[in-house]
Amino acid sequence: EAGVVQSPRYKIIEKKQPVAFWCNPISGHNTLYWYLQNLGQGPELLIRYENEEAVDDSQLPKDRFSAERLKGVDSTLKIQPAELGDSAVYLCASSRQADTGELFFGEGSRLTVL
Amino acid sequence: GEDVEQSLFLSVREGDSSVINCTYTDSSSTYLYWYKQEPGAGLQLLTYIFSNMDMKQDQRLTVLLNKKDKHLSLRIADTQTGDSAIYFCAEARNTGKLIFGQGTTLQVKP
Repeated sequence: EAGVVQSPRYKIIEKKQPVAFWCNPISGHNTLYWYLQNLGQGPELLIRYENEEAVDDSQLPKDRFSAERLKGVDSTLKIQPAELGDSAVYLCASSRQADTGELFFGEGSRLTVL
Repeated sequence: GEDVEQSLFLSVREGDSSVINCTYTDSSSTYLYWYKQEPGAGLQLLTYIFSNMDMKQDQRLTVLLNKKDKHLSLRIADTQTGDSAIYFCAEARNTGKLIFGQGTTLQVKP
């Protein structure tokens, strides 16, 4: 079974530029998560989807961050405009069902904002 | 991971046992998890324990849970160089949200 696929693996942009990350979860996994991981820290949840519905986006900075999962499969996370403090790894994860801690993570997208 | 605390670093010699500790705050958490992250990779689930258990063993891994003290530990027997990684504990809140600690870097010396 293919794992969670994320792209790009690395992205370097200048501040105020937009950036987008893409995630394809494991086939059949209805729940999709976007996490932010700062250097030396554990992942922090940005948004959780159940199929195409965002069920927890309380930690998503909505002034500059947006996410979508239009068909309930793959998802895109966008930042516009990016700030220096957005430099981090953006992790996507999926799980078979809701309310489980058995998450399968992608390799992450490392963002550097100059 | 402001509510889940771990020590930041542990160094052991190959063949020794490693014990990584974690404290959490929500006594209603139903499951507690251990994840492993190797350099440049995402997190990988290692093992988990249900909150009504006090011990779980899975090959070289032993998880101990002290619910009274909200303390979780992961013991790795016969630690190998391939075990060098960052280990995260996480608690599953009853909201369905997973809260991670800041991670413990395990260094295994040959």
